[in-house]
Amino acid sequence: KAGVTQTPRYLIKTRGQQVTLSCSPISGHRSVSWYQQTPGQGLQFLFEYFSETQRNKGNFPGRFSGRQFSNSRSEMNVSTLELGDSALYLCASSLAPSGSQETQYFGPGTRLLVL
Amino acid sequence: AQSVSQHNHHVILSEAASLELGCNYSYGGTVNLFWYVQYPGQHLQLLLKYFSGDPLVKGIKGFEAEFIKSKFSFNLRKPSVQWSDTAEYFCAVRNQAGTALIFGKGTTLSVSS
Repeated sequence: KAGVTQTPRYLIKTRGQQVTLSCSPISGHRSVSWYQQTPGQGLQFLFEYFSETQRNKGNFPGRFSGRQFSNSRSEMNVSTLELGDSALYLCASSLAPSGSQETQYFGPGTRLLVL
Repeated sequence: AQSVSQHNHHVILSEAASLELGCNYSYGGTVNLFWYVQYPGQHLQLLLKYFSGDPLVKGIKGFEAEFIKSKFSFNLRKPSVQWSDTAEYFCAVRNQAGTALIFGKGTTLSVSS
């Protein structure tokens, strides 16, 4: 079974631009979560989607948004990019949403550099 | 708010040495506990997890962890490390109310051969 895939793997943008990242979960998984990983803050939760609905949201500004499609694929969007948005963005999928005894499986991440 | 503390930022060991990485969390209710590993250039992989039952959990590659509820701890252990264990290790907690995973800041393990 293929793992979680994320595209693109690397991205360079400039301040003020917007960016869309994509995540395809493991086949059959319906829950997708997004995390931001930086050297200073570590891994921080962005949001979780299950059956096209946002279930949980972390403490990030409204510039960060996401959505999930009927095939469970998910996208996250960051608008008006800031230098501090430079990070590795990780996607994780699981069969069921958080709150169930499910394990999250992580993708390789998209490394975003904002200049 | 929930938090996870990993006491050691960077651990350096020689091959065959024993390993213990500390992890403490702040949530008082029922929790699910995880250790993930990130090898250089690779993505996060699950090492082991605890949901309920036997508090001593065995994972992949000879790792184990012990959940001590009274101490709010979930320390990771390995009796004899190998050079290939060089990686970053993350402890994560999720409460059963259904929140997302809360990660510790990670511990970098360097093993010299």
